[in-house]
Amino acid sequence: NAGVTQTPKFQVLKTGQSMTLQCAQDMNHNSMYWYRQDPGMGLRLIYYSASEGTTDKGEVPNGYNVSRLNKREFSLRLESAAPSQTSVYFCASHSTRTGYNGYTFGSGTRLTVV
Amino acid sequence: AQKITQTQPGMFVQEKEAVTLDCTYDTSDPSYGLFWYKQPSSGEMIFLIYQGSYDQQNATEGRYSLNFQKARKSANLVISASQLGDSAMYFCAMREGRNTGNQFYFGTGTSLTVIP
Repeated sequence: NAGVTQTPKFQVLKTGQSMTLQCAQDMNHNSMYWYRQDPGMGLRLIYYSASEGTTDKGEVPNGYNVSRLNKREFSLRLESAAPSQTSVYFCASHSTRTGYNGYTFGSGTRLTVV
Repeated sequence: AQKITQTQPGMFVQEKEAVTLDCTYDTSDPSYGLFWYKQPSSGEMIFLIYQGSYDQQNATEGRYSLNFQKARKSANLVISASQLGDSAMYFCAMREGRNTGNQFYFGTGTSLTVIP
């Protein structure tokens, strides 16, 4: 099925470990995003990529890096995980050409840093 | 200043009754879009309804309608004939037209519980 695929769905890390969250979309969307969701804070933008080859910081970029590998894939890397990065992470994609103005979301990654 | 404000952390509604979830927004951009998403306990984000700033009529999608009051900068979601399956978190979001990156700003959400 067409959509946004995120892996993994669940992950437990120890403080200081690194990991990469993977995101891929097959809808030919130009824009992709990484958000984190924390209780009582809604979704906050970490990084985004408006088009292939570009990335920009969002509201809460510290402690993260991203790579827009190609038009389909946008990965989020935690170089040295901290307990404050325990959260649910959502990848989303967007295109203004589809007639649907909203995001298409992945199913989320629940990350726990101990 | 918060771009999107949802002042109701939790709401309860009797099954088959209507409920209004509040959302106010802040922007100076004349072109913007407003969205509502539902997040059930399973965690996925489900698009419900969209309202463009230039739309003359309130958006409707089945049992969902958006009460758009532009002068008050409010975009309340109305769910009619509530069902048990409507129990979920609801997020209001906005995209500004001048925002070339098309980032969305989200509110903190409202948890809706439908009582049988």
